[in-house]
Amino acid sequence: QQQVKQSPQSLIVQKGGISIINCAYENTAFDYFPWYQQFPGKGPALLIAIRPDVSEKKEGRFTISFNKSAKQFSLHIMDSQPGDSATYFCAASITGNTGKLIFGQGTTLQVKP
Amino acid sequence: SAVISQKPSRDICQRGTSLTIQCQVDSQVTMMFWYRQQPGQSLTLIATANQGSEATYESGFVIDKFPISRPNLTFSTLTVSNMSPEDSSIYLCSVEGRTGGYEQYFGPGTRLTVT
Repeated sequence: QQQVKQSPQSLIVQKGGISIINCAYENTAFDYFPWYQQFPGKGPALLIAIRPDVSEKKEGRFTISFNKSAKQFSLHIMDSQPGDSATYFCAASITGNTGKLIFGQGTTLQVKP
Repeated sequence: SAVISQKPSRDICQRGTSLTIQCQVDSQVTMMFWYRQQPGQSLTLIATANQGSEATYESGFVIDKFPISRPNLTFSTLTVSNMSPEDSSIYLCSVEGRTGGYEQYFGPGTRLTVT
């Protein structure tokens, strides 16, 4: 029940294309869903996050789509650039609890020029 | 977001020794977290460290192996004790957002190799 399942494990996209990464969860108590971007040798950086009271959140080229009934959420990267090549992690937590983040397995994105 | 630093950034240690990792934040925060990221893997929470109380450990992690200190609102240490090669990982601290909200920000990590 505490798991967050992420797919695909790896993704190759052409420059200018759309990258889509999906996550699914079981615990309906989760109420905060962030995405992190991690470059090699660096710590994860908070990219964008959503709460379940909205179905979509957009920040620049990054969009989170949230489907509460399906218990799924996804990250869309529009106009993907080689600089977006990194590992992306989805996560979930129960706010007002311990703040503990449950992470997905990660997706390695490669954007080809 | 908070500015977080960790020391050391990397280290190579011998089996059976211990290493203490420091995490420093540029502002006062109530909650600090320590995560482990094994090679090529995702992040797993080790423990939550609140100032003035004992750290809370997740299943599979024990205080004798990963003692944590939290002497004030801007600093914490994690010690990896009696190390084995299986402890080779990246250790990351994170803190809650400045507003005390639910977002977490991560430090750059400490890359530990145990030989």
